Formats: sequence, structure tokens, C-alpha cells
Amino acid sequence: GENVEQHPSTLSVQEGDSAVIKCTYSDSASNYFPWYKQELGKRPQLIIDIRSNVGEKKDQRIAVTLNKTAKHFSLHITETQPEDSAVYFCAASKGGGGNKLTFGTGTQLKVEL
Amino acid sequence: SQTIHQWPATLVQPVGSPLSLECTVEGTSNPNLYWYRQAAGRGLQLLFYSVGIGQISSEVPQNLSASRPQDRQFILSSKKLLLSDSGFYLCAWSRARGYTFGSGTRLTVV
Repeated sequence: GENVEQHPSTLSVQEGDSAVIKCTYSDSASNYFPWYKQELGKRPQLIIDIRSNVGEKKDQRIAVTLNKTAKHFSLHITETQPEDSAVYFCAASKGGGGNKLTFGTGTQLKVEL
Repeated sequence: SQTIHQWPATLVQPVGSPLSLECTVEGTSNPNLYWYRQAAGRGLQLLFYSVGIGQISSEVPQNLSASRPQDRQFILSSKKLLLSDSGFYLCAWSRARGYTFGSGTRLTVV
């Protein structure tokens, strides 16, 4: 089955700096890659996603890149703010977004003032 | 609109007691439904998923069971809770853009 690895497990940045979280997946048939943000004690919420027919997607300060050949995808957050502090999960699935997701192990991002 | 409801929000149960957590989805039909558990500070562990009424797939052997008696209802149960069952339980349904999670149940087994 699919295996998703996520790095780093913790990331500390200064406010205003950029943060990058990287994931790799094992199943070349995976074609949908969402990212979730989970604040302390709350549910994970979708922040951005990308499908395998594009290489990059951007939404304000957040961007995701996908390298299908290398089976890598990354989350980029620019101009980080304290409210970006949370746990971020990457995930992958086959057959579009309606199928079972395989999650990475999560990255605890801390944005320091 | 499509919404997902999960209850209760918090639960404290003694070891050996039964458990029933319920999740319902509104505004869609025949959704794929999932139960996840998250231990403190840890990742999302898939427990069960269901693609239809009465169809349950178990991802890991454990003290829990799941049922789907109706199209938009998914229930997580246990006959006798263990201390290790403590955690944050999340129900989710999948759609074209990944999952929508319920608000979660924080279960503490004492």
C-alpha cells in the first residue's frame, strides 16, 4: 500500500520567515495530495491541495509543489505569522480526492516572535 | 450544504466500560466514512473505513469495532475499554477535495 513520509517532524521559524515541509510518497498511482492544518485540540482542516496534472498551486501565502518523477511534494508558507503555528499533515490518495487518504506523520510548526 | 456531526465532544470512561461514538453526515449520499484515532502529540491512525451500509474495513487489530447501520451514520464501539483506548477520535468523510473531519471526541479512559 501507499506510504507517505513527512519531514521535518518539528520546525521552528522566526515570524516573517518562510517554512517548508516536505513529503514523499511510494505509490506512483497516487494522484491527489492535500495538506491539512491542525490547531491544538481541534480537527484537521484542509488548507491546500494539488492534483497530479499540475506541478504547483498557490493560495496567498501558501503554495504546494509536486514532483511526480521524484514522488515528492512540499508545502511552502511565506511571511509566516504566529497564527501559522500548528501541526501540518500531508496526505496522498489514488483515484482523486474521494478515496482513502494516507497521511504523513505530521510537522509541528512553531512561529516565534 | 454538507456537514458532519460527531458526538460527544469529550468523554471520561472507566476501564472496562462500553463505548459508543456516533458520526452522521448531512447533505450527501453514499459517502465514504472513516474513523481515526490520534494519541496526544501523534499522527492520525486510521481505524476503520466504510464505503457503504454494512461495509466495514478494519485497518488495525484492536479493541474497537465499527458499524454503519444507515447510509450517513457511522458508529465506533467497544465492549470493554482499555487505558490504551484514550485519545482523540475523529470521524471523516471523503469527497472530491479530500476529507472533511468531524469536530472530534476526546476520550479519556481512567
